[in-house]
Amino acid sequence: SQQGEEDPQALSIQEGENATMNCSYKTSINNLQWYRQNSGRGLVHLILIRSNEREKHSGRLRVTLDTSKKSSSLLITASRAADTASYFCAPDERSARQLTFGSGTQLTVLP
Amino acid sequence: NAGVTQTPKFQVLKTGQSMTLQCAQDMNHEYMSWYRQDPGMGLRLIHYSVGAGITDQGEVPNGYNVSRSTTEDFPLRLLSAAPSQTSVYFCASSFGQGLRNEQFFGPGTRLTVL
Repeated sequence: SQQGEEDPQALSIQEGENATMNCSYKTSINNLQWYRQNSGRGLVHLILIRSNEREKHSGRLRVTLDTSKKSSSLLITASRAADTASYFCAPDERSARQLTFGSGTQLTVLP
Repeated sequence: NAGVTQTPKFQVLKTGQSMTLQCAQDMNHEYMSWYRQDPGMGLRLIHYSVGAGITDQGEVPNGYNVSRSTTEDFPLRLLSAAPSQTSVYFCASSFGQGLRNEQFFGPGTRLTVL
């Protein structure tokens, strides 16, 4: 089954900087979701972008989707220490019966 | 709403022992699922249910059983634990398009099999 692949695997930035994470997938999708996982916790849904959308915002989060390149990016602006977490993309492949999750990007925001 | 709850939070088993991981949700979601999370491998679907009385296998079902007698509960049974089942287990629920919709995750159960 398809799996989103996040890049980079790990990212370390200073508080106040922007963080950008990328996701690539292989086949046609209905939508793509991003999740956050704080250490020792379950995943939390952040945002869903549909295949006919190119950009979506939610607070300090900005997600873009390029279906021609089969990629998405998650931008966190003005990062805070509390943004330290793993971030996962989950493409909803049209032919699949379920979401699939990649290995995630581990973001560390240094105070 | 408590959302999705899981018990226990931590468990240590010996090889060959059996146990049940509990999962409950109070959001009246029809869809419930179990994932395992291993380092470097993301989340993998074990079993899922589209409603009371209906279950199906996911990507890695071997060694696990599930049942769904009520909408709220979806326990996961390890029949004879093996070290390869050492992992963090997450229960999730969802509505609408089910497994392809927004997933609500529990806090996880960290299982170690010796």
